[in-house]
Amino acid sequence: DAGVIQSPRHEVTEMGQEVTLRCKPISGHDYLFWYRQTMMRGLELLIYFNNNVPIDDSGMPEDRFSAKMPNASFSTLKIQPSEPRDSAVYFCASSSGRSPLHFGNGTRLTVT
Amino acid sequence: GESVGLHLPTLSVQEGDNSIINCAYSNSASDYFIWYKQESGKGPQFIIDIRSNMDKRQGQRVTVLLNKTVKHLSLQIAATQPGDSAVYFCAENTSGGGADGLTFGKGTHLIIQP
Repeated sequence: DAGVIQSPRHEVTEMGQEVTLRCKPISGHDYLFWYRQTMMRGLELLIYFNNNVPIDDSGMPEDRFSAKMPNASFSTLKIQPSEPRDSAVYFCASSSGRSPLHFGNGTRLTVT
Repeated sequence: GESVGLHLPTLSVQEGDNSIINCAYSNSASDYFIWYKQESGKGPQFIIDIRSNMDKRQGQRVTVLLNKTVKHLSLQIAATQPGDSAVYFCAENTSGGGADGLTFGKGTHLIIQP
């Protein structure tokens, strides 16, 4: 089991640029989650999918954020345009039904 | 909205001692609780979970206690080791353990002193 794989591990970009974060969930898991972690707000759920369908995106900060899951083995989180306040660690997690979430090691995003 | 919170942001214990990390929750509808451990540079890692029909659950060196009367959750780690140094999060869920709707607390930083 390779676990949840996220890329890149680190991303540094300038304000206004588009950022795309990638996630490969654990094979067989039917839930996929995107979380954001900051010192001030902790872990915040942004959006989650079930069987590739977005179920709840109420945590997405604003229209600059979008997420897709074109198939069961891949998801992206896109920020366009990026702003300094988007700087955070973004985690992807997956689960199967009622199993606990399995997290990737995150993407540390820095927007200057 | 209702949220999960922690009593202590930092806890320092001597290696070999037992540690207790506490968590208060406010959503009386929560029926599933999880503890996660996060080491520096890594994602949260599942430690142990408990459902609301239980008061106690034990794992390897860890025990989770749930007091629904006062909406309190604790994680006990026995005979702490240097590898236990991490940030510990409690999380709650209101869908009986379904993955959706998991809400995390802010975290407690556990420091193991040699």
